[in-house]
Amino acid sequence: DSGVTQTPKHLITATGQRVTLRCSPRSGDLSVYWYQQSLDQGLQFLIQYYNGEERAKGNILERFSAQQFPDLHSELNLSSLELGDSALYFCASSVALGGAEKLFFGSGTQLSVL
Amino acid sequence: DQQVKQNSPSLSVQEGRISILNCDYTNSMFDYFLWYKKYPAEGPTFLISISSIKDKNEDGRFTVFLNKSAKHLSLHIVPSQPGDSAVYFCAAPNTGNQFYFGTGTSLTVIP
Repeated sequence: DSGVTQTPKHLITATGQRVTLRCSPRSGDLSVYWYQQSLDQGLQFLIQYYNGEERAKGNILERFSAQQFPDLHSELNLSSLELGDSALYFCASSVALGGAEKLFFGSGTQLSVL
Repeated sequence: DQQVKQNSPSLSVQEGRISILNCDYTNSMFDYFLWYKKYPAEGPTFLISISSIKDKNEDGRFTVFLNKSAKHLSLHIVPSQPGDSAVYFCAAPNTGNQFYFGTGTSLTVIP
């Protein structure tokens, strides 16, 4: 158990809908990262938050947004969903920025857009 | 821009033999590298790391080698066990702690 909790584990929805994925980082971790893994793809970095503030953006679509709340949990909002958004979405956390950090991953949310 | 690359999507090895997984990177500013292991329906878990001041780091059956001049690292698993069958990702963070991951190599250890 990594200590990172993601809910829900599975999500099935229709095109055009909006969903929210939730992540609770490990206790004490200030940084939260979101990654997307599509079929045959590696882990694509979406966005990073540190202590409530957006720190870095990767290949995140404009239809997607995220935030990190004062209690450090994070939510990833996906709207106007398309078939191609079907993927495994991972949240990861780490203690801080810089240095020899490592990421701790949740078990992911499998999103299926039908 | 794929800054970390794993060119072998899959690898099959007999139990007891050595597994060698390879990874290349393009950013010469990377100074820390990690390997993650991922089982189906689970998130990636940290396996081993190496700092650029070293060329080798060992942890039990797992050894990571770093060749900075070639911008290449490899993970050796000796001896390979069926439980090692998983997808292995190499990763490297930039100075802002944005982690870049390779596309993964699926290792199958045949009993």
